[in-house]
Parts: sequence; structure tokens; C-alpha cells
Amino acid sequence: DAKTTQPTSMDCAEGRAANLPCNHSTISGNEYVYWYRQIHSQGPQYIIHGLKNNETNEMASLIITEDRKSSTLILPHATLRDTAVYYCIVRLFSSNTGKLIFGQGTTLQVKP
Amino acid sequence: SAVISQKPSRDICQRGTSLTIQCQVDSQVTMMFWYRQQPGQSLTLIATANQGSEATYESGFVIDKFPISRPNLTFSTLTVSNMSPEDSSIYLCSVGPGHSYEQYFGPGTRLTVT
Repeated sequence: DAKTTQPTSMDCAEGRAANLPCNHSTISGNEYVYWYRQIHSQGPQYIIHGLKNNETNEMASLIITEDRKSSTLILPHATLRDTAVYYCIVRLFSSNTGKLIFGQGTTLQVKP
Repeated sequence: SAVISQKPSRDICQRGTSLTIQCQVDSQVTMMFWYRQQPGQSLTLIATANQGSEATYESGFVIDKFPISRPNLTFSTLTVSNMSPEDSSIYLCSVGPGHSYEQYFGPGTRLTVT
């Protein structure tokens, strides 16, 4: 699975959009981008995933560049409860192993 | 989504002893995973446990230290053997795949070894 690079930490004002970048320059054509987050003292939670098209669900939007070498997770209206560590992970969609390999992630601090 | 419970939620153990952590899922799942999260660190995969076969361990983890059982499609255990303070971590059970091949995580077991 391809390696990802994320900023160590970011701040965001409550009510504003939080934009979390991720670089995955070695991504291959059949690898998807997954985002998870881990709120303090809880297990990680799935947020969204995508291949090459932009994706949106009730939690967030995922914007993937045309060359697929980077992506941005967007939380449109961040709340204090969105304070967490956000992990960008690249993996095969139908991987038989199914395992997720976590990097260091981005610690997002939402401030009032 | 799958609902996962772990027991115990936390424990304090003495060095040299062993602790078995249980993971129970509310539905049958193909794959179960065990992760370790050391203080202030990210998650590290210990092993993958599929029912009916031996667990597959990641580099740096061995069966003698972390024996795993997977007796059926809803249950697994991880034992942390001959513990040392370096084993103090949160141990998380995870299951998959979901319909989008996502994984679901349990709440974790916080282990402190003194």
C-alpha cells in the first residue's frame, strides 16, 4: 500500500470549514483513499473513501486531485466534537488482507 | 455497521503476568484484526485473525508473545504474555470488511503494566 504524508497538526475555528490535506504521490491506479478519525480515548471511526471522483457523505467531503497524488478531507462546518486525529490511508479496495496501515495522522483542534 | 465490545475496558497488571482480552462482535465477520496503540502514538497492526486458520502476525510481533484465538465468526481473544511495562498500551479489536471495505473498531482495552 502507498505511503501517505499529512501535517502533524491543524487548528480550525468552530463553524468554519476544516480542510485536511494528504499527499500520496506513490498511489497506484487501483488504490483508494480512505479517511478515518480517532476521537480521544475511542476507537477509530470510518469517515469516507474515494478512488478518483470527489465524494460527499453526511460527515465530510473528499476532494482528490486529477493526478490522484493528493487529496483533501473537508469538514464543512467544524464543531468542537470534530477535534480528533484524522488518518489518511491508501489501500486496495478489494484487498484480501483487509488490513489498514495507519500513519501518524493530523491532530485537528477545533477552537471556539 | 458492526458493534464491537471488548473486555476488559482497562486493567493494571504486574510484570511477568498475562492478560487475555476478549473481542465480541454483534454479527458474523470474516476478518478480525488486533492493533496496539502505545501512548501518544498511532495504531500498529499486531495480527489478522481469520476463523478457521492461524493468525497472521505483522513484523515485530510473534505468536508466543501475543497468542490469538478465533473460535467463531463473532469472537476473538488476544493474550499479552509475560508482560513488561513496555506493553502498556491500548489494544484495539477491529473487524471487516464493511460494504465499502471499511473497518470497524472496538473501544479498546487500556493496559497498564507495573
